[in-house]
Amino acid sequence: GESVGLHLPTLSVQEGDNSIINCAYSNSASDYFIWYKQESGKGPQFIIDIRSNMDKRQGQRVTVLLNKTVKHLSLQIAATQPGDSAVYFCAENQGSNDYKLSFGAGTTVTVRA
Amino acid sequence: EAGVAQSPRYKIIEKRQSVAFWCNPISGHATLYWYQQILGQGPKLLIQFQNNGVVDDSQLPKDRFSAERLKGVDSTLKIQPAKLEDSAVYLCASSLDRSDEQFFGPGTRLTVL
Repeated sequence: GESVGLHLPTLSVQEGDNSIINCAYSNSASDYFIWYKQESGKGPQFIIDIRSNMDKRQGQRVTVLLNKTVKHLSLQIAATQPGDSAVYFCAENQGSNDYKLSFGAGTTVTVRA
Repeated sequence: EAGVAQSPRYKIIEKRQSVAFWCNPISGHATLYWYQQILGQGPKLLIQFQNNGVVDDSQLPKDRFSAERLKGVDSTLKIQPAKLEDSAVYLCASSLDRSDEQFFGPGTRLTVL
């Protein structure tokens, strides 16, 4: 699969390979993180979330890893499909009693057939 | 279940003109958000409503932007007068309550010439 050690704005991946998208967050006090997928002309769509008391969470074909020591979050997509082509954003919650989401810059994933 | 509805989907205006956007959240959702998404960036929160009251408008440029949610359901966001840097996609999101998942609408793409 293809992976990105640091955040890069774009990622090109071969269909069927695994993708890894990285995100650095800013606030060490953030306790909740979400990955969103945004397709062209649509609003962001929830993919998976993770709380700060966890370091890994798995969904269907997606895994989120959280490293609080270096304030780093990653999204792994298994067996990438053409429908996975989109912009992916990580968001951190900076609120206490409610959600105040701060979004990262986003990574555009393009799947090659 | 119907999603968050927004209109218009596209709007082109000249600088110094006024513009208004409308959002209809998911039925029963108490919390409503307006975000601004400049091309190539993640969404930035402008204002958050809880029912018909404002929870957070700290990042709303109040000299030109205003928003209301008079009956605690639909909401409008207005810009008067518009500037070139207001060109962006304006996203509306809603959640059942303040610490629940946010669902995004498709956005209104504003171009200021």
